[in-house]
Amino acid sequence: DTEVTQTPKHLVMGMTNKKSLKCEQHMGHRAMYWYKQKAKKPPELMFVYSYEKLSINESVPSRFSPECPNSSLLNLHLHALQPEDSALYLCASSQEWLVTDTQYFGPGTRLTVL
Amino acid sequence: GIQVEQSPPDLILQEGANSTLRCNFSDSVNNLQWFHQNPWGQLINLFYIPSGTKQNGRLSATTVATERYSLLYISSSQTTDSGVYFCAVETSGSRLTFGEGTQLTVNP
Repeated sequence: DTEVTQTPKHLVMGMTNKKSLKCEQHMGHRAMYWYKQKAKKPPELMFVYSYEKLSINESVPSRFSPECPNSSLLNLHLHALQPEDSALYLCASSQEWLVTDTQYFGPGTRLTVL
Repeated sequence: GIQVEQSPPDLILQEGANSTLRCNFSDSVNNLQWFHQNPWGQLINLFYIPSGTKQNGRLSATTVATERYSLLYISSSQTTDSGVYFCAVETSGSRLTFGEGTQLTVNP
């Protein structure tokens, strides 16, 4: 099973709302990633978790708050977002951080901020 | 940082045609992956190919690491092959750097 699941598929939120994106994998992977993808552009790395600890934060604004409650689950908490944050948010996982390996991507959450 | 260039940026084919997509990169890499992003946004792994040649059905890929390029071949294209094809390379630290992609449209 090489599946990464993400919920919800679509999310519309106002600038004052608080919402969360969820990502789950059951492949025993110890590295998990959040990417942001704007229309007609490639994915951009936001965060990397390794063994449930934050390893990389690519200078992401604090209105995005990641959380890794356990080795299978990755959340992205959203608060006070701006319209320019509207994008496709992709979660990925791989066997280990800092070990060259295939990254597997989830189907994404399409976020619209009004 | 490493530069990844994909060509062509756009490609329109008739069903049944063959095509070659190219990915050039500016430095040595530990890993290279090809992805297909379907119209719903799902990024699907096609190949993990830091070097050599691999084949999977109608798709095959070749990476020549010493010359810093990779090719993705699609034979007998189908409408379901439409979407964006990304090449992504990994240098150090498990960071994937993506190219800008090739938008493929296969017409019936």
